[in-house]
Amino acid sequence: DAGVTQSPTHLIKTRGQQVTLRCSPKSGHDTVSWYQQALGQGPQFIFQYYEEEERQRGNFPDRFSGHQFPNYSSELNVNALLLGDSALYLCASSFLAGPTGELFFGEGSRLTVL
Amino acid sequence: GQQVMQIPQYQHVQEGEDFTTYCNSSTTLSNIQWYKQRPGGHPVFLIQLVKSGEVKKQKRLTFQFGEAKKNSSLHITATQTTDVGTYFCAGVNNDMRFGAGTRLTVKP
Repeated sequence: DAGVTQSPTHLIKTRGQQVTLRCSPKSGHDTVSWYQQALGQGPQFIFQYYEEEERQRGNFPDRFSGHQFPNYSSELNVNALLLGDSALYLCASSFLAGPTGELFFGEGSRLTVL
Repeated sequence: GQQVMQIPQYQHVQEGEDFTTYCNSSTTLSNIQWYKQRPGGHPVFLIQLVKSGEVKKQKRLTFQFGEAKKNSSLHITATQTTDVGTYFCAGVNNDMRFGAGTRLTVKP
């Protein structure tokens, strides 16, 4: 039973560029949440997708957008990258939307913006 | 909005000593979750507390949820080197907010 898988694991971009990160949830899960974790900080909630729609959103600008596909996988897109976007981006899957369920995290995608 | 504060930020202990991390929310929570993140790893779910005053144990780990459902603690008895990592609480209300974590190092 595959857990949460994310790609790519590492990437380097320059300011102003755009990036797409991908996530496949744990088998049987239908909800995907994205988190940004800066070095030495806790994960910060970006948004949650369920039934191919954004259900909840944290305090992140519109440069951060996402998508969920019919097979429950998800993408996180960040436009006009800033140096401050450098972080570990974590995808977490759960069963059913909402904040109450146990989250299963992937290994993350480490983004460096130069 | 809801804020979750966690102290201490760092804790260094000798193997065999006890360790406690505290979590405080600015608002009443519906439940609280605890996660552990090993160095270079990803957060892994440890437990969820739902009831006021709830206490749960997992071997050497004891988790408590305050009577007012605004604070929680994680206590590790007789730490081992395998306990090394960062422990996060996540307060759940309308959304889930993680604390900044307590980084535990254990000297053999």
